[in-house]
Amino acid sequence: QKEVEQNSGPLSVPEGAIASLNCTYSDRGSQSFFWYRQYSGKSPELIMFIYSNGDKEDGRFTAQLNKASQYVSLLIRDSQPSDSATYLCAVNMLADSGYALNFGKGTSLLVTP
Amino acid sequence: ETGVTQTPRHLVMGMTNKKSLKCEQHLGHNAMYWYKQSAKKPLELMFVYSLEERVENNSVPSRFSPECPNSSHLFLHLHTLQPEDSALYLCASSQDYPGSSYNEQFFGPGTRLTVL
Repeated sequence: QKEVEQNSGPLSVPEGAIASLNCTYSDRGSQSFFWYRQYSGKSPELIMFIYSNGDKEDGRFTAQLNKASQYVSLLIRDSQPSDSATYLCAVNMLADSGYALNFGKGTSLLVTP
Repeated sequence: ETGVTQTPRHLVMGMTNKKSLKCEQHLGHNAMYWYKQSAKKPLELMFVYSLEERVENNSVPSRFSPECPNSSHLFLHLHTLQPEDSALYLCASSQDYPGSSYNEQFFGPGTRLTVL
């Protein structure tokens, strides 16, 4: 069973703090990892992807990947109330007919003013 | 806007109705997907089309019938649905499938379906 695990939260952080969102995955052969943000009632929006071990930074967002530990995380610096959303971790895993994105259930983030 | 549009945005239907969901992508992508998102559950992949050919059908009941007339359009035909089919149905597209694992998917706004 190929799985992507996330803590459902809610994760509550004060405005200006660093929010840390974590994800583990079961398929050791996975090569690509994605973070989507989903506001309530809206569709998922791609915000970050990472393919190599280490850190990848984009503005206030940093994705971290550790393939040996099968762990990927998303850090949001200087959190804003507008960052309040559900964050979905997605991992590309090899299926019978090719690669398919497997999603976690998402972590709900609440940034309080 | 991601370049993927879906209509209708909301749909209420009875169990004996027939309806269709439409998806259109303006990104020049070759692969299109249908996902189902229910409360408290991960996104579930339903169907994948690559170059208008169905390449994945994740044990979806036959009351859901996809159609891909060209690489820009994808339909999901609905017939005799059950109340438990009520969910957000999302369409997505990517450059290729399955070719590469480095394939970002872009989602449409979704259709909120309620089955009475």
